[in-house]
Amino acid sequence: ETGVTQSPTHLIKTRGQQVTLRCSSQSGHNTVSWYQQALGQGPQFIFQYYREEENGRGNFPPRFSGLQFPNYSSELNVNALELDDSALYLCASSLRQGASRKTQYFGPGTRLLVL
Amino acid sequence: DQQVKQNSPSLSVQEGRISILNCDYTNSMFDYFLWYKKYPAEGPTFLISISSIKDKNEDGRFTVFLNKSAKHLSLHIVPSQPGDSAVYFCAANTGNQFYFGTGTSLTVIP
Repeated sequence: ETGVTQSPTHLIKTRGQQVTLRCSSQSGHNTVSWYQQALGQGPQFIFQYYREEENGRGNFPPRFSGLQFPNYSSELNVNALELDDSALYLCASSLRQGASRKTQYFGPGTRLLVL
Repeated sequence: DQQVKQNSPSLSVQEGRISILNCDYTNSMFDYFLWYKKYPAEGPTFLISISSIKDKNEDGRFTVFLNKSAKHLSLHIVPSQPGDSAVYFCAANTGNQFYFGTGTSLTVIP
């Protein structure tokens, strides 16, 4: 059983650019959530995908968008990057079935720096 | 608006003693609560959870207590071990959304 993986591990972009972060879910998991963790803060929920459809969204603007693919891998896209987008981006996968849907398994994160 | 709060940024405990980490929440719609542990350069790892219909859940050295009237939960680690040194996040769930606290950094001193 493989865990959740994310790529790249680190990324530097400039303000106004666009970025795509990738996540590969744990084997058998059909739900993926993305979080932003700023320095000294807890993870903040961006959105969740289930069966390739957005299934819940936190308080983030539309320039944060995502995709989930049939193999349950996922992308987070951020357009028009701002300095405040600098953070650790975490993806978490879970199995949407019974009580298991509540337990999320996190990847190691992608550290994004916007200059 | 922070709906889940961990008011102690750090905690130091002697090995073998009890560690108590606290968490407060404001939203009465939360129906499931979780604790995660995070080591540097790793993602959070699930530790233990509790449903709002219970007031206690135990798993080995880890016990979570939930006081719904006070909107407070706590994680007890007994006995504490040096390997428990990490950042601990509490999280609360309603629907598809999970809300995390800011974390408490636990140091267990050998």
